[in-house]
Amino acid sequence: SAELTQAPAVSVALGQTVRITCQGDSLRNFYASWYQQKPGQAPVLVIYGKDNRPSGIPDRFSGSRSGDTAALTITGAQAEDEADYYCDSRDSSGDTVVFGGGTKVTVL
Amino acid sequence: QVQLVQSGAEVAKPGSSVKVSCKASGGTFSSYAITWVRQAPGQGLEWMGGIIPVFDTTDYAQKFQGRITITADKSTNTAYMVLSSLRYEDTAVYYCARPLSQLLLTNSFNIWGLGTLVIVSS
Repeated sequence: SAELTQAPAVSVALGQTVRITCQGDSLRNFYASWYQQKPGQAPVLVIYGKDNRPSGIPDRFSGSRSGDTAALTITGAQAEDEADYYCDSRDSSGDTVVFGGGTKVTVL
Repeated sequence: QVQLVQSGAEVAKPGSSVKVSCKASGGTFSSYAITWVRQAPGQGLEWMGGIIPVFDTTDYAQKFQGRITITADKSTNTAYMVLSSLRYEDTAVYYCARPLSQLLLTNSFNIWGLGTLVIVSS
């Protein structure tokens, strides 16, 4: 089955920019979505498609893709952005979905 | 705006089955897939499978094939997930979620239930 690989953790200084990546073969054919999850809460969709934000998501969140790697960038990270971030994608077969292992973002 | 309301926490014995429900309120039900995602304590998200109610089509992650059944009742706008032959490692929060796109079992889940804690314990 497909796999999406994320770094386990990353830190960013308040107000600086952080880029979280997600790598997998399925990303050559399908866009990743990105979710933010805070402790004890359900995930929240922050980026989908080429680079789309659902209503209510700040524009400091952006998405990109190159080859087999998708990225979520937070430009000007805020304290409230400290959370776990997950990518997902349709599997290469297109019939199922796979999640990355998640990246814990710490805002210093 | 659609909300997904899940059933309450469950405690189940190893080897038994658990049934979790997910009721959609406030919008269209049948044309959007309902997907089940679980999260074990301290672990990441894991896609389990989903159903498109209007077609009654399902897809399951290979890991759960033979142990999971997802159904939908269009008359009550409710989806169900049954996981059988429970093991201790099935202890997790189980979420139902709905994608942005209609008529596809796809990703980009913009609506999530609050989760149902299932504890497998003897």
